[in-house]
Amino acid sequence: GAVVSQHPSRVICKSGTSVKIECRSLDFQATTMFWYRQFPKQSLMLMATSNEGSKATYEQGVEKDKFLINHASLTLSTLTVTSAHPEDSSFYICSAELASGEILTDTQYFGPGTRLTVL
Amino acid sequence: AQTVTQSQPEMSVQEAETVTLSCTYDTSESDYYLFWYKQPPSRQMILVIRQEAYKQQNATENRFSVNFQKAAKSFSLKISDSQLGDAAMYFCAYTRDGATNKLIFGTGTLLAVQP
Repeated sequence: GAVVSQHPSRVICKSGTSVKIECRSLDFQATTMFWYRQFPKQSLMLMATSNEGSKATYEQGVEKDKFLINHASLTLSTLTVTSAHPEDSSFYICSAELASGEILTDTQYFGPGTRLTVL
Repeated sequence: AQTVTQSQPEMSVQEAETVTLSCTYDTSESDYYLFWYKQPPSRQMILVIRQEAYKQQNATENRFSVNFQKAAKSFSLKISDSQLGDAAMYFCAYTRDGATNKLIFGTGTLLAVQP
């Protein structure tokens, strides 16, 4: 149980285009999802917290107009990198937190990540 | 502000031996959760073990166990009978009890397992 999928696993795009990354909780409902960015050999950096049915909460320094997050259902959150540039190239990881009342609350389960390369 | 510190950037262990990874944290909260996540070369973050701060008993999951010292704010991970598949980056993480709380990660410890 507690499986999170992420699609695509890898994407290469041209500078100036937009890329959408999907994060799905496959066997549980997640009222809260998180988006992280990870640079090589570093820890995860939280970008934003995504709540179903409401606006995402962005961490300081993360441009909300550049990294658009939508959490339209209890099983799906999307991250859209708008007008991508080479400096946006990174590994993006989502996680989902079990909804309150279920086993192992306050625990995040992670997707497999998306490698974004902007040419 | 809460912080998580992993003082060992790299560790090495012989196959079948035991290794302990260190983690300390700082918080003024009394109720919280601590985690160890494993990130192998595939980069998939895998939950290894979870500890509720209100529980005195140390969590165990098969070959993985923790030594949780709440007063000392220490949360070490012991891996017994190490296997080649245990080679990975290990992250210690903290979250405050309650709704929608962020995970605060340590900087990670890269574990190598020697055959």
